[in-house]
Amino acid sequence: AQSVTQLGSHVSVSEGALVLLRCNYSSSVPPYLFWYVQYPNQGLQLLLKYTSAATLVKGINGFEAEFKKSETSFHLTKPSAHMSDAAEYFCAVSDRNNFNKFYFGSGTKLNVKP
Amino acid sequence: EAGVAQSPRYKIIEKRQSVAFWCNPISGHATLYWYQQILGQGPKLLIQFQNNGVVDDSQLPKDRFSAERLKGVDSTLKIQPAKLEDSAVYLCASSLDRGTGMETQYFGPGTRLLVL
Repeated sequence: AQSVTQLGSHVSVSEGALVLLRCNYSSSVPPYLFWYVQYPNQGLQLLLKYTSAATLVKGINGFEAEFKKSETSFHLTKPSAHMSDAAEYFCAVSDRNNFNKFYFGSGTKLNVKP
Repeated sequence: EAGVAQSPRYKIIEKRQSVAFWCNPISGHATLYWYQQILGQGPKLLIQFQNNGVVDDSQLPKDRFSAERLKGVDSTLKIQPAKLEDSAVYLCASSLDRGTGMETQYFGPGTRLLVL
């Protein structure tokens, strides 16, 4: 079965600093990859997704992610953190080898310090 | 466009009681998902419907959980009887059904369940 690993359950950055949230997947066939964000007491919202087109994907709120097949990674980045970016971020995969079953990672909570 | 609606937002029950959650997906979305999100973990898919048929319920504890989607629109998820370990947020999501696996899922705000 597909698995998704998010390194670091908590990440803290200063406002204006680079944000890097890590995601690795396990599959011989590259899955479709997604990043979702969850603000407190809210549902999840799509930030961006990779669907086999460009390997560098741009999303909402200045976030982007790069698909690297050789590293089985899909890390999320933002050049300059804003206080409003504080939230929990989930990486997810749609397993093309298994009827597109959907799996979420365990999440990374981003804290942004003033 | 209205989003995914869920009710209730919060529920507190005692173990062995039953509880039901309701979800109304975005109009026109054929696929509906129920997830369980335990504190500190990512959402886990419980059941996926395409219209009113079940696509995947492999992780649904069928001895106590049941779900239905009558007429391919609204859905209810029921737990009977509840256990302490069922305390979680139950998320409903929907997507346009193109069957490609690339579809964006749109999530409701969730129902937070506490079992005492």
